[in-house]
Amino acid sequence: EVQLLDSGGGLVQPGGSLRLSCAASGFTFNSYAMSWVRQAPGKGLEWVSVISGSGGSTYYADSVKGRFTIYRDNSKNTLYLQMNSLRAEDTAVYYCVKAPENVVKYYYDHWGQGTLVTVSS
Amino acid sequence: EIVLTQSPGTLSLSPGERATLSCRASQTLSSSYLAWYQQKPGQAPRLLIYGASSRATGIPDRFSGSGSGTDFTLTISRLEPEDFAVYYCQQYGSSLTFGGGTKVEIK
Repeated sequence: EVQLLDSGGGLVQPGGSLRLSCAASGFTFNSYAMSWVRQAPGKGLEWVSVISGSGGSTYYADSVKGRFTIYRDNSKNTLYLQMNSLRAEDTAVYYCVKAPENVVKYYYDHWGQGTLVTVSS
Repeated sequence: EIVLTQSPGTLSLSPGERATLSCRASQTLSSSYLAWYQQKPGQAPRLLIYGASSRATGIPDRFSGSGSGTDFTLTISRLEPEDFAVYYCQQYGSSLTFGGGTKVEIK
């Protein structure tokens, strides 16, 4: 059974940093592209970033480019999102999501439970 | 960037009724690269439909997707109590974007 366990969220001040983690199990982790998708309180879904199975290709939404870094440790079956220079508008639940193939532009067949990031002073 | 517009914003229906949700793209989607998700309060979204019309594993056949080009539709043939939720479309043909969602509520 595929499982994605998101963690690392919390309260951080504007300008601060936070690292999210997603522990994956139940599938061959390095064979699938992975993404982060976020949802601001009471709002819709927003794609944030994607990484290929090997980690060699990464893409970002314009809203986070230059501030967020996605990476993965395939030896630990773990996906990360390093978030720097955080802003109030980054406040959201962040979901780790899995694509059904190693394709960076794809849909998502499994979602983590989400981790809440709150940026506030 | 391709913008997806979902309508209506809210759909008020009774159990057993048919629900028709629309998702319109600002540009033609190549190869019908469109997916639909269902989200219930406090839960992560769940994949329903991919490739515009293919049901995901375990999704009941009362859910169906159709459309091509710029106009796509999710149809729920007979609403069950567990179907009242928010539905999102997503395109993956050019970058990755989601629609704003349609809430299906009990009338």
